[in-house]
Amino acid sequence: SAVISQKPSRDICQRGTSLTIQCQVDSQVTMMFWYRQQPGQSLTLIATANQGSEATYESGFVIDKFPISRPNLTFSTLTVSNMSPEDSSIYLCSVEDLGNTIYFGEGSWLTVV
Amino acid sequence: GQQVMQIPQYQHVQEGEDFTTYCNSSTTLSNIQWYKQRPGGHPVFLIQLVKSGEVKKQKRLTFQFGEAKKNSSLHITATQTTDVGTYFCAGPTSPNSGGSNYKLTFGKGTLLTVNP
Repeated sequence: SAVISQKPSRDICQRGTSLTIQCQVDSQVTMMFWYRQQPGQSLTLIATANQGSEATYESGFVIDKFPISRPNLTFSTLTVSNMSPEDSSIYLCSVEDLGNTIYFGEGSWLTVV
Repeated sequence: GQQVMQIPQYQHVQEGEDFTTYCNSSTTLSNIQWYKQRPGGHPVFLIQLVKSGEVKKQKRLTFQFGEAKKNSSLHITATQTTDVGTYFCAGPTSPNSGGSNYKLTFGKGTLLTVNP
């Protein structure tokens, strides 16, 4: 299994600012993903974080708005840039372990005011 | 693109009643996964079904994968208050030939509430 730590767990942010979310896994994993869950909604994949190369973004998400880093196999960051109230969501880090099981972090609950 | 539809959106039951949520994919899936998210929590993996017609049980939970591998169901027998939460199904968006390294498309989830 994989244990995922996400920081911050919650934050209230001013519009126009940026916030970086960190995801740390306790073991090396092949795949890391970032999801967004808007209030009362399902999960939507933002991007796949690739180790040592640029992230792969899903339709509707762009690097300028959601820059992602993955410097090694156990760590990734997601930045939410130039935030607006529409960015108020839970941001979830997800990993796939060697057994192809998916695990989610506890999420970062962002409120933009 | 791939769509995963889930019904019902909400279900309220009396404790002890049964509950079922249904999931349908617009495309054939290599596997289907189920997750539970408690209120205020994060999604937690419950199970993965891979084979056509597969049925798996976890105590009071029964999971089925359709013969065509496009639909699935989760049935809870004799619900308890601890079953409260949103149940999501999810299917791989783009599995590679090795079956690993995929990303998931989630259904909208079914929110289950249980009246004690």
